[in-house]
Amino acid sequence: GQQVMQIPQYQHVQEGEDFTTYCNSSTTLSNIQWYKQRPGGHPVFLIQLVKSGEVKKQKRLTFQFGEAKKNSSLHITATQTTDVGTYFCAGPVSDDKIIFGKGTRLHILP
Amino acid sequence: NAGVTQTPKFQVLKTGQSMTLQCAQDMNHEYMSWYRQDPGMGLRLIHYSVGAGITDQGEVPNGYNVSRSTTEDFPLRLLSAAPSQTSVYFCASSYGLPGVNTEAFFGQGTRLTVV
Repeated sequence: GQQVMQIPQYQHVQEGEDFTTYCNSSTTLSNIQWYKQRPGGHPVFLIQLVKSGEVKKQKRLTFQFGEAKKNSSLHITATQTTDVGTYFCAGPVSDDKIIFGKGTRLHILP
Repeated sequence: NAGVTQTPKFQVLKTGQSMTLQCAQDMNHEYMSWYRQDPGMGLRLIHYSVGAGITDQGEVPNGYNVSRSTTEDFPLRLLSAAPSQTSVYFCASSYGLPGVNTEAFFGQGTRLTVV
């Protein structure tokens, strides 16, 4: 079946360093969503990408959707302690279902 | 605006017991869903509903039932709890279908332990 894979599973960075998580799908996606879950919290929607090659920025976060619409990335510039959490990508398997990647857990070292 | 409300926040069950996890949303969203989250497994879809009176199975439906008698409520029933159902359960809702340009709003989660 369709899969959405994320790498890495875990990432430890020094505060101030950059961080990138990658999401790869086995099939072409009509769109991709990114969510953030703080420790002990619930997933919160960050952004949705729809167009091939799309790049969107939210302050220090940059989201990209691949040209083939099968991969995506989230890059955080100059990480801060508030960036700690797990980042999930999610893509549709049909109009009424989306599948989540297993997430990348980001840990910031002070 | 409360958003998506789940109750209870924590629950301990004995093997074989049944219970209902409650989920309510006040955003008039048509689409609602239940996920379970286990370490290293991400979020897996249990059941979902595209509107009142309509439900369907997700990836891991066995051992769970749902109903959608109103737009606002989408309870999840564990028929006979098993230790393998120990997990964190999230309810989510969205205005439209999740595969089509719409974000999901999640509840705070229910941490369930089955002993």
